[in-house]
Amino acid sequence: SQKIEQNSEALNIQEGKTATLTCNYTNYSPAYLQWYRQDPGRGPVFLLLIRENEKEKRKERLKVTFDTTLKQSLFHITASQPADSATYLCALVGNTGFQKLVFGTGTRLLVSP
Amino acid sequence: EAGVAQSPRYKIIEKRQSVAFWCNPISGHATLYWYQQILGQGPKLLIQFQNNGVVDDSQLPKDRFSAERLKGVDSTLKIQPAKLEDSAVYLCASSLEPAGEQFFGPGTRLTVL
Repeated sequence: SQKIEQNSEALNIQEGKTATLTCNYTNYSPAYLQWYRQDPGRGPVFLLLIRENEKEKRKERLKVTFDTTLKQSLFHITASQPADSATYLCALVGNTGFQKLVFGTGTRLLVSP
Repeated sequence: EAGVAQSPRYKIIEKRQSVAFWCNPISGHATLYWYQQILGQGPKLLIQFQNNGVVDDSQLPKDRFSAERLKGVDSTLKIQPAKLEDSAVYLCASSLEPAGEQFFGPGTRLTVL
């Protein structure tokens, strides 16, 4: 069956360090992958999109990699700040049939001062 | 630019009662989505509209849930009758193109007692 897996345990890191979040998928052939941030009591907010033919995408302190061989995307936040504390969701769009976004369960990031 | 508007923000009902949620997407966005997000999980797509037509409702429990998007603008999602397991946050989102960057509303938190 199709699965999108993100670490269900919260990731705790110290301010200034690099946070790395993982998104693994099985039985998908994604055309592209998106990352969203969600704060408590709010809807998700789009951060980055990476296509299957792209290895890496950057935006300010954010970096996303996409390895279709490993079936994995990594999401990095460099020089993390307490304000980066939130839940981060990955979402896939398949490259066959009807295109819809399927979300992972999200990983909660806690950045301590 | 105004974001996606949803109302109400919170709703508490008893099981077997009915409830309706309203969503006004970003102006010009042809694609509108309704998601259900249970605590600790990622958003699950219930229904996707392209203008005023349904393009995917495969995960909508059609015996109790219904949705419409009249005139291809705002949308309502109804649950009748509600069950305890319907307790969740209902998110509305819109995008310029299917499965593109999605803009989410704040959500409606439904509690079924």
